[in-house]
Amino acid sequence: DTGVSQNPRHKITKRGQNVTFRCDPISEHNRLYWYRQTLGQGPEFLTYFQNEAQLEKSRLLSDRFSAERPKGSFSTLEIQRTEQGDSAMYLCASSFGRVSYNEQFFGPGTRLTVL
Amino acid sequence: AQSVSQHNHHVILSEAASLELGCNYSYGGTVNLFWYVQYPGQHLQLLLKYFSGDPLVKGIKGFEAEFIKSKFSFNLRKPSVQWSDTAEYFCAVNRGGSYIPTFGRGTSLIVHP
Repeated sequence: DTGVSQNPRHKITKRGQNVTFRCDPISEHNRLYWYRQTLGQGPEFLTYFQNEAQLEKSRLLSDRFSAERPKGSFSTLEIQRTEQGDSAMYLCASSFGRVSYNEQFFGPGTRLTVL
Repeated sequence: AQSVSQHNHHVILSEAASLELGCNYSYGGTVNLFWYVQYPGQHLQLLLKYFSGDPLVKGIKGFEAEFIKSKFSFNLRKPSVQWSDTAEYFCAVNRGGSYIPTFGRGTSLIVHP
C-alpha cells in the first residue's frame, strides 16, 4: 500500500500523559499536514510542513502540541499533558508540488481517547 | 477569518433521487475549492476540485459541482444517487496561493436502496 499511513490507529491514555503519533506520507510528497477532527465536524488544520520545515501552525494550537518532520520524510505529532478535550481523530495528509490546488491524500487517522 | 458553511448536515435519499449539497464560503478573493468524500471505513479522498477555468467541474462517480463566484458557492450535484454514495461529504476552500484549506463541518448522506 503506497498511501499515507498513520500509527497507532487508536490510542487510549490517561489525562496528563504524553502521546506521540506517527505519519508516513506518500514517498514523493513534499507537503505534510496534520488535522484534528471531532465528531460532527470537518478536519481542523493544526500544522503543516514543506519538506522538513514547519511553515505554519494554527493559532488554536496549544503549546502542548509539537510536531516534527525530520529529514522531510515521516512526521510525528506529540501532545504533552493530555486533557480530555484533546480526544479526537488526528488526521495526517500529504500532497505534492508547488501549486495550492493540488489534492491532499489523507491517512486513516489516529483516534485518541483521553480518560 | 475564512469560514465554510455546509447547510445540510444530514441528507437521506432513495436511490435514483437527485442530490444537491450546498457549500458557501466567506472569502472574497481568489479561491481553490474542493469536495472530499469519506466512505464508511475509508480515508477522506478527493471527489473534485476547482481552481480556474470552466466553473462547472466534473469529478469521479458522476459527481459535478458548480462554482458561482457571485454567490460564494460551490454546490455539489449528482443527478441520480446510488446506495454506494452513502458517505460523509466535506467542502473545503483555500485562498489562492495558500496551501491550507478550511473544511466545512460535512454532510452525512444516506442513500436507501
